[in-house]
Amino acid sequence: DQQVKQNSPSLSVQEGRISILNCDYTNSMFDYFLWYKKYPAEGPTFLISISSIKDKNEDGRFTVFLNKSAKHLSLHIVPSQPGDSAVYFCAARASETSGSRLTFGEGTQLTVNP
Amino acid sequence: DSGVTQTPKHLITATGQRVTLRCSPRSGDLSVYWYQQSLDQGLQFLIQYYNGEERAKGNILERFSAQQFPDLHSELNLSSLELGDSALYFCASSVGIGIWANVLTFGAGSRLTVL
Repeated sequence: DQQVKQNSPSLSVQEGRISILNCDYTNSMFDYFLWYKKYPAEGPTFLISISSIKDKNEDGRFTVFLNKSAKHLSLHIVPSQPGDSAVYFCAARASETSGSRLTFGEGTQLTVNP
Repeated sequence: DSGVTQTPKHLITATGQRVTLRCSPRSGDLSVYWYQQSLDQGLQFLIQYYNGEERAKGNILERFSAQQFPDLHSELNLSSLELGDSALYFCASSVGIGIWANVLTFGAGSRLTVL
């Protein structure tokens, strides 16, 4: 049962344009959502998060949007830079039922072309 | 450097063998998590420890076991290895648990290849 799903295995954008990565979830108990970025031969690194009581969180070039009714979240990167090329994982947590463990999506490989 | 240290970085072994993966959490973190990432898949939660005690279990096979020691480092033991166990194994740590563990910090992973 894949509770967190990233339907796009890959995304390619031009430098300076917007990158939009999408994530869908099925578990209505999820109350905290995170995006992690992973470079080859490294572990995932935390990028940005959002609580279920919010619908938007912004940090510099990165903005995460949460649509609870659609059980959908997205990560916007503006402007995209070649250094943003990495695998992006969406993750979610159901604090009441599962504590601090995170459930991850399959990841989306973002390639930003110069 | 995330502060989470995993050894070994790479490990090649044969089917039927047993291996131990080691993780030292970030200084001050009491909770340790193990995740498995097989080819082209997301990270699958295996097990969590908090201050030496098992806290949560995911899809961990009976051939796998883990523990967290008094100095808070953790070991993941994989036995009777099969080809399908080839994967990246990540360790992560957090300060606390539940709502007090907003972000997990990951190590660089241990790549296991079973031939």
